[in-house]
Amino acid sequence: EPEVTQTPSHQVTQMGQEVILRCVPISNHLYFYWYRQILGQKVEFLVSFYNNEISEKSEIFDDQFSVERPDGSNFTLKIRSTKLEDSAMYFCASRLALGHEQYFGPGTRLTVT
Amino acid sequence: AQTVTQSQPEMSVQEAETVTLSCTYDTSESNYYLFWYKQPPSRQMILVIRQEAYKQQNATENRFSVNFQKAAKSFSLKISDSQLGDTAMYFCAFMNGNSGNTPLVFGKGTRLSVIA
Repeated sequence: EPEVTQTPSHQVTQMGQEVILRCVPISNHLYFYWYRQILGQKVEFLVSFYNNEISEKSEIFDDQFSVERPDGSNFTLKIRSTKLEDSAMYFCASRLALGHEQYFGPGTRLTVT
Repeated sequence: AQTVTQSQPEMSVQEAETVTLSCTYDTSESNYYLFWYKQPPSRQMILVIRQEAYKQQNATENRFSVNFQKAAKSFSLKISDSQLGDTAMYFCAFMNGNSGNTPLVFGKGTRLSVIA
């Protein structure tokens, strides 16, 4: 069964450093998302992406964040200058079409020290 | 803006028993979808069940079923014959069906423990 994959599974970085989190959505899916979950809290929406552009973004998704689909398969989230409060689990999700469920990747645990 | 409320932070159930997790939501939309996701200790988000708002019939998936009360804006999850592997966080989620690429809005979750 096709699945969403994410790399790395765990990333440790120092405050102020740039990180890139990578996702490979399910191959025929058209809609892509990034969410984050701070430990012990609910899952929060960051950004949605369709047709090579951002569809919607939350207040969390400020100028430090960017997304890209550099080729036909990868979908990346970049944090330019990480802060301690960026420590969280980051989930990528994709879906085939409107009204369909979103499938989540296994997540990347980001630890900022 | 839509909101999703899960009023039970933690619940426990004996193995083989039945448990119901509550979820209410607030929206002015008429077309939307509701989901339950399971998050085991591995923290993977796994879709359990979905419900389209325009369908009156409650969704079922094996031991999992929902009680969808549209007028009351309630969407509870019933787990029958609970198994140890059902131990996880359960998140209720809402998705607007009218807009384009809309995200999921999650509740805060209910931590379910199945006891042997």
